[in-house]
Amino acid sequence: DAKTTQPPSMDCAEGRAANLPCNHSTISGNEYVYWYRQIHSQGPQYIIHGLKNNETNEMASLIITEDRKSSTLILPHATLRDTAVYYCIVRVGGSNYKLTFGKGTLLTVNP
Amino acid sequence: DTAVSQTPKYLVTQMGNDKSIKCEQNLGHDTMYWYKQDSKKFLKIMFSYNNKELIINETVPNRFSPKSPDKAHLNLHINSLELGDSAVYFCASSPLSATGNTIYFGEGSWLTVV
Repeated sequence: DAKTTQPPSMDCAEGRAANLPCNHSTISGNEYVYWYRQIHSQGPQYIIHGLKNNETNEMASLIITEDRKSSTLILPHATLRDTAVYYCIVRVGGSNYKLTFGKGTLLTVNP
Repeated sequence: DTAVSQTPKYLVTQMGNDKSIKCEQNLGHDTMYWYKQDSKKFLKIMFSYNNKELIINETVPNRFSPKSPDKAHLNLHINSLELGDSAVYFCASSPLSATGNTIYFGEGSWLTVV
């Protein structure tokens, strides 16, 4: 699986958009970009994933660059409850392939 | 209803003991996992089962033995517990998919070995 690089921490004001970057310059053509988050003392939570196109769901938007070497997770209106560690993971699709978690980005949403 | 539930949530035990953590999912998923999160917060996969068949077995000591009586359950049994086994253990499940793969995690079981 391709490795990812994320900033260790970021701050965001409540109500503003949170933009979390992820670099995955060695991503292969059949690897997806996944985002998960882990709120303190809870299990990781799936947010969104994509292959080539930008994706949006009720939680967030995922913007993948045309060369697929980087992506940005956007939380459009961050709340205090969005404070968590956010993990960007790239891997081949299919449930027989493992998710490998890195260190992630600690996003702190401030009032 | 909790989608992926694991018990116990907290477990404190002495070195050398044998303990089990149970996991059940009511999502109808075919694949279940065990992950370990250590004190440095790294989350690492331990095992993956697909319809009761072992798919992924990372470099985990033989003292750890997963058991899947049916596809809705994946229990983790640990023999001869050591101090280094202290961690949070997460059970998870996912539907069988050839493309994108959403994994649903339980709330974790905090194991402390003293």
